Amino acid sequence: TQLLEQSPQFLSIQEGENLTVYCNSSSVFSSLQWYRQEPGEGPVLLVTVVTGGEVKKLKRLTFQFGDARKDSSLHITAAQTGDTGLYLCAGEEGSGGGADGLTFGKGTHLIIQP
Amino acid sequence: EPEVTQTPSHQVTQMGQEVILRCVPISNHLYFYWYRQILGQKVEFLVSFYNNEISEKSEIFDDQFSVERPDGSNFTLKIRSTKLEDSAMYFCASSAQGARTEAFFGQGTRLTVV
Repeated sequence: TQLLEQSPQFLSIQEGENLTVYCNSSSVFSSLQWYRQEPGEGPVLLVTVVTGGEVKKLKRLTFQFGDARKDSSLHITAAQTGDTGLYLCAGEEGSGGGADGLTFGKGTHLIIQP
Repeated sequence: EPEVTQTPSHQVTQMGQEVILRCVPISNHLYFYWYRQILGQKVEFLVSFYNNEISEKSEIFDDQFSVERPDGSNFTLKIRSTKLEDSAMYFCASSAQGARTEAFFGQGTRLTVV
């Protein structure tokens, strides 16, 4: 069973600051996804990265997949209070075909203070 | 925007009772999943379902669990004889056919076993 370690577990910063959170594994994933989860709700897909070294941008959020496809990072520029939430990474273990279960990390709890 | 819907939102049941959790996946999706999240813990994969049969299942998905797609729209998870440790949020997800699992999650059913 592959494990995904997310760090930091908790992060509290001021509005306007930049931040990076990490998702690491010793195993290779065929794809990796980032989700955001609000309390009492299901995870909401933000992005999927597939190719080693791939970088995707979603407004102020930048996602990167490691060259070896074992790790990923999420960078937020000029954080806003609306960015507050739980950010989860999830890796696809198999060869990639839709039927694979996702392995989730425990998440980073992000709090942006005004 | 299409979404995955789950019912009920909250289910309370007595230990030993059977429960059925219901999901309506996104209409053009072909892969369906169940995940659970015990309070304060990470999201865990239970089972994936494609072409009217189970594609993959985790160690958690033992003989107490079963899934079914009784018609063209619903996808159900049955727990035959609930235990206290089955208390969790259960999330249904679906994915379009493709090269990778991009799962869209429902809002979840909170199952409380008393």
